[in-house]
Amino acid sequence: NAGVMQNPRHLVRRRGQEARLRCSPVKGHSHVYWYRQLPEEGLKFMVYLQKENIIDESGMPKERFSAEFPKEGPSILRIQQVVRGDSAAYFCASSRNAERGDGYTFGSGTRLTVV
Amino acid sequence: GQQLNQSPQSMFIQEGEDVSMNCTSSSIFNTWLWYKQDPGEGPVLLIALYKAGELTSNGRLTAQFGITRKDSFLNISASIPSDVGIYFCAGQLFERNQFYFGTGTSLTVIP
Repeated sequence: NAGVMQNPRHLVRRRGQEARLRCSPVKGHSHVYWYRQLPEEGLKFMVYLQKENIIDESGMPKERFSAEFPKEGPSILRIQQVVRGDSAAYFCASSRNAERGDGYTFGSGTRLTVV
Repeated sequence: GQQLNQSPQSMFIQEGEDVSMNCTSSSIFNTWLWYKQDPGEGPVLLIALYKAGELTSNGRLTAQFGITRKDSFLNISASIPSDVGIYFCAGQLFERNQFYFGTGTSLTVIP
């Protein structure tokens, strides 16, 4: 069984460029969550999506950040006009049933470095 | 966002020793999870707790859901070198679907 697949594992962008992070959830999981982790810190919730819908984006910056989870294909976290402060590890997680609190399966993350 | 206070922040222990760490919150959670993160990897679920007072074991790991629903504890017995990593607690509020994570406890086991 394939787990959560994230790509790329490492991404380097210059300031002002766009970063696209992809996440394919576990087969059969329809709930996707994105988290950001700064060095030496915990995971900060960004956005929760369920197929084609954004359920909760309370943790995502209002500008430059967007997320989608189309009917077909992976979930995408998009960061426009990246700045140095966007450098972090971005983790995607998926779950089958959000209400029961089954817990998430995490991907290995995408490490974004803005130079 | 929700604030989960995890302590201690880091631990350095000898192989074979027992480890205790805890997580507290000002909010009441309906689910507590404990994860372990190895360097360069995503967190891996260790134990899930669903009821106040629940005590659950997974091998040498034991976790408890606090009676007040505002805290949780993780114990590791007879630590071994592969226990090294960062341990995170995560809590889920009744009215929200996503989990909020603690700041992590970094564990170093000295052989």
